[in-house]
Amino acid sequence: DAGVIQSPRHEVTEMGQEVTLRCKPISGHNSLFWYRQTMMRGLELLIYFNNNVPIDDSGMPEDRFSAKMPNASFSTLKIQPSEPRDSAVYFCASSSRDSGSEVGTDTQYFGPGTRLTVL
Amino acid sequence: GENVEQHPSTLSVQEGDSAVIKCTYSDSASNYFPWYKQELGKRPQLIIDIRSNVGEKKDQRIAVTLNKTAKHFSLHITETQPEDSAVYFCAAGYSTLTFGKGTMLLVSP
Repeated sequence: DAGVIQSPRHEVTEMGQEVTLRCKPISGHNSLFWYRQTMMRGLELLIYFNNNVPIDDSGMPEDRFSAKMPNASFSTLKIQPSEPRDSAVYFCASSSRDSGSEVGTDTQYFGPGTRLTVL
Repeated sequence: GENVEQHPSTLSVQEGDSAVIKCTYSDSASNYFPWYKQELGKRPQLIIDIRSNVGEKKDQRIAVTLNKTAKHFSLHITETQPEDSAVYFCAAGYSTLTFGKGTMLLVSP
């Protein structure tokens, strides 16, 4: 059974370029989360979707970041324009919401991450 | 919002010893407390979790305790092995999860 799939695994780009990260959640999961991990700030939630609808994007650092989930099996995180301080590992996670539970209280399964380097 | 503090930031033990990692949280509404293990260059993986209606949970060599009154929870690893070496993260929340900064555990043979 495939887990969460992310692409690309590594991305090196120059400042000012557009970057698009992709995520395919586990089939049947209805919640999807985008996280950013850095040494300084740790693991931070950027945005999460429930049933393809963005629920909380308060963690998105600024307008340069945007995320979409056009269907239940695909999500993108876009950075435009990218800056060196965006360099980090970006993780996507998905979960299956139990009936009656809050979104955040279901087990989240992480993808392998995308290591982004902005020069 | 929720704030999660995790201690220690690094922990070195000898193989066979026990290891304890502690976390505190600020939001009394939090009701879910998972622990993740992350090996170098890999994804975080859930190792154990606890919900607010339970005070303790055990799975083989790993146990987690929760004190809701004091707003703290702990991870206990007994009979540590070199393959337990990794970074461990605690998290707390109810609609979203806030993660601690992590504890690097090194188990020496």
